[in-house]
Amino acid sequence: AQTVTQSQPEMSVQEAETVTLSCTYDTSESDYYLFWYKQPPSRQMILVIRQEAYKQQNATENRFSVNFQKAAKSFSLKISDSQLGDAAMYFCAYRSPAGGTSYGKLTFGQGTILTVHP
Amino acid sequence: GAVVSQHPSWVICKSGTSVKIECRSLDFQATTMFWYRQFPKQSLMLMATSNEGSKATYEQGVEKDKFLINHASLTLSTLTVTSAHPEDSSFYICSAMGLAGDFVYEQYFGPGTRLTVT
Repeated sequence: AQTVTQSQPEMSVQEAETVTLSCTYDTSESDYYLFWYKQPPSRQMILVIRQEAYKQQNATENRFSVNFQKAAKSFSLKISDSQLGDAAMYFCAYRSPAGGTSYGKLTFGQGTILTVHP
Repeated sequence: GAVVSQHPSWVICKSGTSVKIECRSLDFQATTMFWYRQFPKQSLMLMATSNEGSKATYEQGVEKDKFLINHASLTLSTLTVTSAHPEDSSFYICSAMGLAGDFVYEQYFGPGTRLTVT
């Protein structure tokens, strides 16, 4: 079974600064998907960024980028120019590829609470 | 596009009664829906996976007779908490997966339902 570990229960950053959230995972599969989700105080889960394991290029979405290290099974999220609206709980998640009994299921990490200071 | 709704957003019920939570995919057909439970400041715990027209698959440790799931159509899944007790109080989130958006088989999350059992 796959496992996802977020070792930072809480992180804080100053507005306009950069912060990196860590995530490691364990899997025996060679093809899979990785995600970062944001859960603000409203508790609505919002997809921040996704990465396909077969792609070597790191995914980016505006101020959000990832550092995907497949061999090390590491998937960190970098938030640049942090904004007050970035304050939320962030979850790293793993998903198996199409097919198989685990198809579509997301395995979530424990989450990291990000505080942004003005 | 790819909007998922949940109803109600907040429900209070008395111990021993049953409560039904609806999850609807508003603008796409969801072949699979997932139900999660989340305690404050914790991660999402997958309870069950439901596929339209077939029985739900429950995760280990989840009581299928307490948490009844019905996926009656490609746009609606319901979770019924039967004979609810205070320990069932939690935040319940559904997600829907189907052929939608830029990424096929993506999971889209509902806004969640807060259940309080008194």
